[in-house]
Amino acid sequence: SYDLTQPLSVSVALGQTARITCGGDYIGSRNVHWYQRRPGQAPVLVIYNDNNRPSGIPERVSGSNSGNTATLTISRAQVGDEAEYYCQVWDSTSVVFGGGTKLTVL
Amino acid sequence: QLLESGGALVQPGGSLRLSCSASGFSFSDYAMTWVRQAPGKGLEWVSLIYNSGSQYYAASVKGRFSISRDNSKNTVYLQMNSLRAEDTAIYYCAKDRYASGQGWFDPWGQGTLVTVSS
Repeated sequence: SYDLTQPLSVSVALGQTARITCGGDYIGSRNVHWYQRRPGQAPVLVIYNDNNRPSGIPERVSGSNSGNTATLTISRAQVGDEAEYYCQVWDSTSVVFGGGTKLTVL
Repeated sequence: QLLESGGALVQPGGSLRLSCSASGFSFSDYAMTWVRQAPGKGLEWVSLIYNSGSQYYAASVKGRFSISRDNSKNTVYLQMNSLRAEDTAIYYCAKDRYASGQGWFDPWGQGTLVTVSS
């Protein structure tokens, strides 16, 4: 089975840039999707196919994917960005989620 | 656009059927999935069904859970049998971007809580 590794937590100062990584063997050859889950709310898609933003997601949210690491970058971090973030890929006909990263804005 | 129902408190070994009613898109054109989140844990994929009806399951639920859909009712179901304490979670349904999976999930429902306990 395919595994995705995320840091348990990331902290960022208000207004600075947060980077959340998602590691996997040759993940650069897969399409990576990212979801945000705020406490008590349903997950929301924030990036699809490595670096595409759905409508309504601000431009300061971006993604990249190369080699063995995909990265979600949140610029000018705001208190409202505090949430859990999950990466996701497909492994044949199965769906794989990373373990999730809790983003704290200080 | 997605509304789950059917969550409840059930005893170990019991059964439950979850429903997810869809609106606002052409339901029969897309694959649908169930994802769960246990207390204090991350997201875990449970099952997916193509628009054609082909079904796929996580190893943790294979043989116990069954996914189905009724395109005339715009609804996807998850039949859960032989429930265990570790099945306790919020269950979300979501729409896949494509008819045969391999896409991203958007939107998601608000979730329904399943608690397995005696």
